[in-house]
Amino acid sequence: DQQVKQNSPSLSVQEGRISILNCDYTNSMFDYFLWYKKYPAEGPTFLISISSIKDKNEDGRFTVFLNKSAKHLSLHIVPSQPGDSAVYFCAASAGYGNKLVFGAGTILRVKS
Amino acid sequence: EPEVTQTPSHQVTQMGQEVILRCVPISNHLYFYWYRQILGQKVEFLVSFYNNEISEKSEIFDDQFSVERPDGSNFTLKIRSTKLEDSAMYFCASSELKAYSGNTIYFGEGSWLTVV
Repeated sequence: DQQVKQNSPSLSVQEGRISILNCDYTNSMFDYFLWYKKYPAEGPTFLISISSIKDKNEDGRFTVFLNKSAKHLSLHIVPSQPGDSAVYFCAASAGYGNKLVFGAGTILRVKS
Repeated sequence: EPEVTQTPSHQVTQMGQEVILRCVPISNHLYFYWYRQILGQKVEFLVSFYNNEISEKSEIFDDQFSVERPDGSNFTLKIRSTKLEDSAMYFCASSELKAYSGNTIYFGEGSWLTVV
């Protein structure tokens, strides 16, 4: 199931700089997109979401951008902090059901 | 902050044995889910549950799996006869509304199941 893709397995960023995590999707029926942060052996923690009727949503240091024509979304973290180091999952859901489809995740390392 | 709680955090079981994983969803949530993550793989949807019945299930959720809400607070996942390939981290989750309506799914810490 490749409906949600995170093509970068890992990303390394210097503390204080911007982290940009990317996600692509193929299913045009997806209408709600979420980003989760996950540590090993823990559950996904909700970070931020965006509805398909918007192109940007901001919450503190986290901003999600949605480009529906390109079927692409991104998560920006500014400024990045060492505590942001984790695996970040993109997820999407469609109007015809209520399950989330997850990407494979991107490991973010923020170096101090 | 309200959270989804799961027990046990880790269980080791013999192949062929029955396992029950337990969850207490967030109290005002109406939709409940089980997901799993096999080591090194994606988080996968198993089943969703609303109004005391399954609302959607994946192809993974075969006859060996069942879910139940035995009382007003617990939500359980039963695997009748475990297989080696059932070894995974199982996540319980809950939400107030259906995900497609824009509401958010909140996950528990997970139950790590090892089948030997």
